[in-house]
Order: sequence, then C-alpha cells, then structure tokens
Amino acid sequence: GEDVEQSLFLSVREGDSSVINCTYTDSSSTYLYWYKQEPGAGLQLLTYIFSNMDMKQDQRLTVLLNKKDKHLSLRIADTQTGDSAIYFCAESIDPGGYQKVTFGIGTKLQVIP
Amino acid sequence: GAVVSQHPSWVICKSGTSVKIECRSLDFQATTMFWYRQFPKQSLMLMATSNEGSKATYEQGVEKDKFLINHASLTLSTLTVTSAHPEDSSFYICSAPSPSYEQYFGPGTRLTVT
Repeated sequence: GEDVEQSLFLSVREGDSSVINCTYTDSSSTYLYWYKQEPGAGLQLLTYIFSNMDMKQDQRLTVLLNKKDKHLSLRIADTQTGDSAIYFCAESIDPGGYQKVTFGIGTKLQVIP
Repeated sequence: GAVVSQHPSWVICKSGTSVKIECRSLDFQATTMFWYRQFPKQSLMLMATSNEGSKATYEQGVEKDKFLINHASLTLSTLTVTSAHPEDSSFYICSAPSPSYEQYFGPGTRLTVT
C-alpha cells in the first residue's frame, strides 16, 4: 500500500533556505504534491511534479524528485515568516486525479525572525 | 484557478444531533469528490470517495451509516455526521479533482461536538 513519510519539524532563520524532505513507497506514484496548511485553515496546493520529472522550480520553490530512491524534497529560498506553516507531502497514482491522495503526516516549518 | 468551498466553516453541535457539511466546486464540475478528516497535529485521512449519481465508497473503518455522503449534483457533495459524539470532533476537508487534474481542497469545516 501507499505510505508517505516526512520529518515532523524544521526550524530555520528568516532569509535562509528551507528544505523539507519526504519519502514514499508506492513506485507507481504519478503525481507528487506539496501542500501548505496554515493554522486553522485548509490546504493550499503549492506545487506538484510528475513522476517523469526530476526537478520543478516555481519562484522561491524548488521541488526535487529522486524516483530511484522515492525521495521528494521541497526547497524554499529566502524563507519568510509568512512561510511558517505545516507542509504536507502527498502522492497519487492516478494522473487523472480521480484516485485518492495519500498524505504524509506533515512537517511543521518554524521561521525565526 | 479552480475553487472548492465548504459550508459551514465551523459548527458546534450537541451530542446526539446530526450535522451536514457541504462541499461545492465553484467553477468546475466534479464527478468525484473526496472527504478527509484531520485530527489535531495529524495528517489527513481519507474517509470516503463521493461519486455523483452513485453510492459513495468508504475507506476501511469508516462507518457509512454514521457518515452519510450524498453527491447530488456535479458541483455539490454533502457529508452528514449522524448522531454526533464528542469523538467526532475534527476538521473535515473535502477535495475535488479539477479539469486540469489537480486536486483542489476546500478550506475545511471544524466540527465541535459538545
């Protein structure tokens, strides 16, 4: 079955880069996502990557995928206090998005001013 | 971009009563929607898949008679928590795949059962 793992907590100083890591077990995962959840709020899709890609960059966000090791990372450049939130790694095996999305437990990012 | 809304955003109810939560896709049609629940400091757990025009598919361990799902139209799915108890207090989130194959999530409904 699917399993997604990520570390629970990360603390960085404002202006530094943050790297949040994730591993998954399902080799048939097609879509890999990063979601952001601020306190008391729903999920915001930050970015996603197809399994046939190695890297995707979107402004301050860089996603790296090592399909061989089933390892996904999210790098946030020039981390700001507004980036403090919980970041969920997630995967789906269905490119149409009609299958369920399996989430990791979430990494709480704390940005120190 | 695609938007999914939920109503209400927060509800408090007495133990034993039923609560209905709505999930709407605002600018796209969704034949499938998903319902998740999230306990404090935990990840989202899929409860059920809501299918327009047919019965919902429930995940193992989720009581279908307690969590009634109705997907009456291509833009609306409802989750009714029947005979709610304090242990049902949680954050309920719905999602829908958009035409561009991204999963869009609603803002969530916080249910508190007293």
